[in-house]
Amino acid sequence: KAGVTQTPRYLIKTRGQQVTLSCSPISGHRSVSWYQQTPGQGLQFLFEYFSETQRNKGNFPGRFSGRQFSNSRSEMNVSTLELGDSALYLCASSSRLAGFTDTQYFGPGTRLTVL
Amino acid sequence: AQKITQTQPGMFVQEKEAVTLDCTYDTSDPSYGLFWYKQPSSGEMIFLIYQGSYDQQNATEGRYSLNFQKARKSANLVISASQLGDSAMYFCAMREGRRTPTGTASKLTFGTGTRLQVTL
Repeated sequence: KAGVTQTPRYLIKTRGQQVTLSCSPISGHRSVSWYQQTPGQGLQFLFEYFSETQRNKGNFPGRFSGRQFSNSRSEMNVSTLELGDSALYLCASSSRLAGFTDTQYFGPGTRLTVL
Repeated sequence: AQKITQTQPGMFVQEKEAVTLDCTYDTSDPSYGLFWYKQPSSGEMIFLIYQGSYDQQNATEGRYSLNFQKARKSANLVISASQLGDSAMYFCAMREGRRTPTGTASKLTFGTGTRLQVTL
């Protein structure tokens, strides 16, 4: 079974631009979560989608948004990019709405650099 | 408050030796899951092992085992017979069973990680 895929793997943008990242979960998985990883803040939860609905959200500004499609694929959008948005963005999927017993499987990440 | 604490920023271990990576956690929720992930330099987070708060026995997965001490709120990862390919960052993470008002489960919270270097 194919793992979680993320595209693109690398992105370079300039301040003020917007960016869209894509994530395809493991086949049959309906929950997709997004995380941001930076050297300073570590791994931080952005949001979780299940059945096309945002079910959980972290403490990020409204510039960060996402959506999930009927095939469970998810996109994350960051508008008005700031230098501090440079990070590795990781997507994770699990088979159902994430409960404390559910393992999340991660993709390879998208490394975003904002100049 | 820090929910997951990994006190070892870096560790060295010789090939074929065993190593223990420490993790302590803080929660008042009786239902929670503890996870360990490995992150090589490529960036992908690789799931290693899971321990549930109600599990009576310590989890094991091949060369990985989890030393779960519930009363002490610790969930240390033990890697036996270390290999050069084990060199990576290792993250401990927790998900609590508490449900939000919207009915969703809470997020996966990560520690700061331990960088393990396996030497010849």
